[in-house]
Formats: sequence, structure tokens, C-alpha cells
Amino acid sequence: GNSVTQMEGPVTLSEEAFLTINCTYTATGYPSLFWYVQYPGEGLQLLLKATKADDKGSNKGFEATYRKETTSFHLEKGSVQVSDSAVYFCALSEGRGSTLGRLYFGRGTQLTVWP
Amino acid sequence: SAVISQKPSRDICQRGTSLTIQCQVDSQVTMMFWYRQQPGQSLTLIATANQGSEATYESGFVIDKFPISRPNLTFSTLTVSNMSPEDSSIYLCSVVKANPTNTGELFFGEGSRLTVL
Repeated sequence: GNSVTQMEGPVTLSEEAFLTINCTYTATGYPSLFWYVQYPGEGLQLLLKATKADDKGSNKGFEATYRKETTSFHLEKGSVQVSDSAVYFCALSEGRGSTLGRLYFGRGTQLTVWP
Repeated sequence: SAVISQKPSRDICQRGTSLTIQCQVDSQVTMMFWYRQQPGQSLTLIATANQGSEATYESGFVIDKFPISRPNLTFSTLTVSNMSPEDSSIYLCSVVKANPTNTGELFFGEGSRLTVL
């Protein structure tokens, strides 16, 4: 079956530190992979995605590379800011286009960045 | 993109009662989804709601407990029936919008936080 295992939190960093949040997955086919972010008091927002092996998704300084050989999609950012404090969810879907929607989520990782 | 409004944003309910959550989207969408996020847990898909047909429920979720309506292409409701404290969760509505590359993107509402006493 499909599942996502995500690094347990909370993660606490100082501003400008390097961030890695690990995510590994199990899938029966060739999934698309996503990172969603939930800022305090807001809904889930798509942060980045990758739809095939070796693709790199990037947005707002965050990056994640789809590694089929290690079934991983680790989230990284070279220099975090206080405004990056949020909960981050790794997710996968085997759907494409209009069949996308059935997402399997990790448990979420709370990130707190101190000034 | 899609703007999704959910009501209520939060509520405190008594055991044994039922509550209906509304989801309004700013554009027509074929598929709407209801997720649940229990405290400290991941998001879990409850059901897929397509306009003009019965909702499709995931394993572990049944229509009697979580009846869903989908009267048109911009609106859906989820009812949590005969609530117990175990139903205390955040319930999220989501929709998929196809993009030019047809990879699609899932948009979420802000969620409805229910606490059952």
C-alpha cells in the first residue's frame, strides 16, 4: 500500500540555520510527491511538488528532490527565517491531473525558528 | 487557484449531537474531498464527493456516520453524526484543480476544528 513516513518533530532552529526534514514513502506505483505547509491559523498550502524520479521541486527557498532509489523526498532550506515557522507535511498521490486528490500524508513536522 | 471557505471554523459540541460542516468553493470543481486531522495525527481522507453521485468513502468511514451532500459544483457539506469525543478533529475540505501540465493541484480550506465534550 501507500504510506509516508516523516521525521518526527518538533524541530527548533535559529534564524539562518540549515533545515532538513526527512520524508520517505512506500508506494505501489509511481507517485507524485508533495510538501504542504500550514502556517499558524491558516489552511494547508502546497509548498512544492515533484511528479517523477529525479525531479526537484522548489519554492520560497525550499527544495526537495524525488529520489526513487531511496524512496525519499527530503525537504531542505539553506537559511530559515522566523516566518518559516509552521507545520510541514509530506504527501504522495498516485493520481494525475483530475484524478489527483487521494493524498497520503505524513504526520507533519512542527518547525519553530527563533530570531 | 481556488478559494475555499469552510463553516464553522470551530465548534464545541455535546456528545450524541450532530454537526454539519459547509464547504464553499469560488469556482466550479468536479471533485471535492473531505479529510480528517486528528490531534497529533496525519490527515486521512474520509470520502470523495462528486456532484450528481453518491460520495465514495474510504475504509473505516461510513455514510451513516459521515453523510455528505454535493448539491452543485461549488458546494458540499459533511455531517458528523452522533458525535463522541473520538470525533474531535480538524475536518478539511479540499478540491483539485487541473493545471496546464495536467499534474493537478489540491487546494484546502482552513479547516473546521471540532471539540466534542
